[in-house]
Amino acid sequence: GESVGLHLPTLSVQEGDNSIINCAYSNSASDYFIWYKQESGKGPQFIIDIRSNMDKRQGQRVTVLLNKTVKHLSLQIAATQPGDSAVYFCAENFNQAGTALIFGKGTTLSVSS
Amino acid sequence: GAGVSQTPSNKVTEKGKYVELRCDPISGHTALYWYRQSLGQGPEFLIYFQGTGAADDSGLPNDRFFAVRPEGSVSTLKIQRTERGDSAVYLCASSWGGGGDYEQFFGPGTRLTVL
Repeated sequence: GESVGLHLPTLSVQEGDNSIINCAYSNSASDYFIWYKQESGKGPQFIIDIRSNMDKRQGQRVTVLLNKTVKHLSLQIAATQPGDSAVYFCAENFNQAGTALIFGKGTTLSVSS
Repeated sequence: GAGVSQTPSNKVTEKGKYVELRCDPISGHTALYWYRQSLGQGPEFLIYFQGTGAADDSGLPNDRFFAVRPEGSVSTLKIQRTERGDSAVYLCASSWGGGGDYEQFFGPGTRLTVL
């Protein structure tokens, strides 16, 4: 069967490498997903989003992949830079009332130069 | 333009005291959300406003927590009889529309410490 990317609480990469951060989401009824970046002492900052009618979306240096079959999201960061060091959260838009975001476990990305 | 602002940035209080946390959303955003973030965790939903009304308060942990948004803009989160377990960062977010279908813009948060 298809493998599901494991969630890693931390990821260390070298500057210039590509990074892949994985997330498993909770509810098959969710139809909107967002990746946020959170630096120490700051609120979450939007990176990229994707709706459930897509399986891939690209931004500047970032790509989000959505696999609805296994309820899995991934964030790919190309040519990772030290400024990318932060905690990354995926979020889905389903709670009981469908009104708020449910955040996954964060992954701390450390980029060394 | 101006983002979401929250005041105070830090609040230290004693167990049993009452606190108010303020959120100024982005101008024109009709939806406003409060989240709570404990150390090492992702934000957890507390309450959602669409305009002046609380459309979903299912995330409030108990009746010591209350929030208002009387004019559909600024919101205040109120916590009565604070407990040490209330210590966390309280985040506010706003968006153009509600229902969780729009990008939410977050403020810097208020770090609440209950001694």
